[in-house]
Amino acid sequence: AQSVTQLDSQVPVFEEAPVELRCNYSSSVSVYLFWYVQYPNQGLQLLLKYLSGSTLVKGINGFEAEFNKSQTSFHLRKPSVHISDTAEYFCAVEAGTALIFGKGTTLSVSS
Amino acid sequence: NAGVTQTPKFRILKIGQSMTLQCAQDMNHNYMYWYRQDPGMGLKLIYYSVGAGITDKGEVPNGYNVSRSTTEDFPLRLELAAPSQTSVYFCASSLGGQANTEAFFGQGTRLTVV
Repeated sequence: AQSVTQLDSQVPVFEEAPVELRCNYSSSVSVYLFWYVQYPNQGLQLLLKYLSGSTLVKGINGFEAEFNKSQTSFHLRKPSVHISDTAEYFCAVEAGTALIFGKGTTLSVSS
Repeated sequence: NAGVTQTPKFRILKIGQSMTLQCAQDMNHNYMYWYRQDPGMGLKLIYYSVGAGITDKGEVPNGYNVSRSTTEDFPLRLELAAPSQTSVYFCASSLGGQANTEAFFGQGTRLTVV
C-alpha cells in the first residue's frame, strides 16, 4: 500500500534562508507525488506534482521538488523563503482513486 | 470560477444531533472526496465517489454517510454526532484516473461537537 512520511513536523527558518521539507514515500507501483500548501484557515492548494519525466519539478511561488526513486524521496525546496511562505505543507501520493497525505510540516518563517 | 464550494464554514453540534455538510463542484469532475483534518494527523479519507451513484469507504468512514445523486454534489451526513467527530472537514474533487488525481479543495467546514 502506498504511504508517505513527512520527516519533520515543524521547520522554523529565518526570512531569505533556504529551506527543505522532507518527504519519503512507499509504493510498490508507479508513483505520482504531490505537494500541497495550506495557509491558515484555508483549503489545500497544489504546489507541484510529479507524474513522470524530469525528476526535478518546479511549482508555484518558487518551490521545487526532486523525485529520487532510489531513496524513495520527494523533498520540497526553496532557495529563499519569505514571511508569506509560513503555512502547513503536505506531501501526498496517489493511491488508485484518492490521495494519501502525510501528517504535514509546519513551516514558520520569521524576520 | 467557484471550484469546490462547502457549506457551512462553521458549525457547533450537540452530542447526538445530526447534520449534513454540503459540497458542490462546478468543474464537471468525476471524482469527489471527503477528508477530515485533525491537528498533527494530516488528512484522512472518509468517503469517496468515482461518479454519480457510486460511493465507497475510505480510511475512516465510521459515523458518516454519503450520497452522490449528481456529478456536482457530494453531501456528507453525520447521523449521531460524537465529540470524536470534532474536526475540520474538506471536500475535494478531481478529474479522476491515474495521473489525474490532482485534487481541488474547498475551504473547509470547522465542526465542533459538544
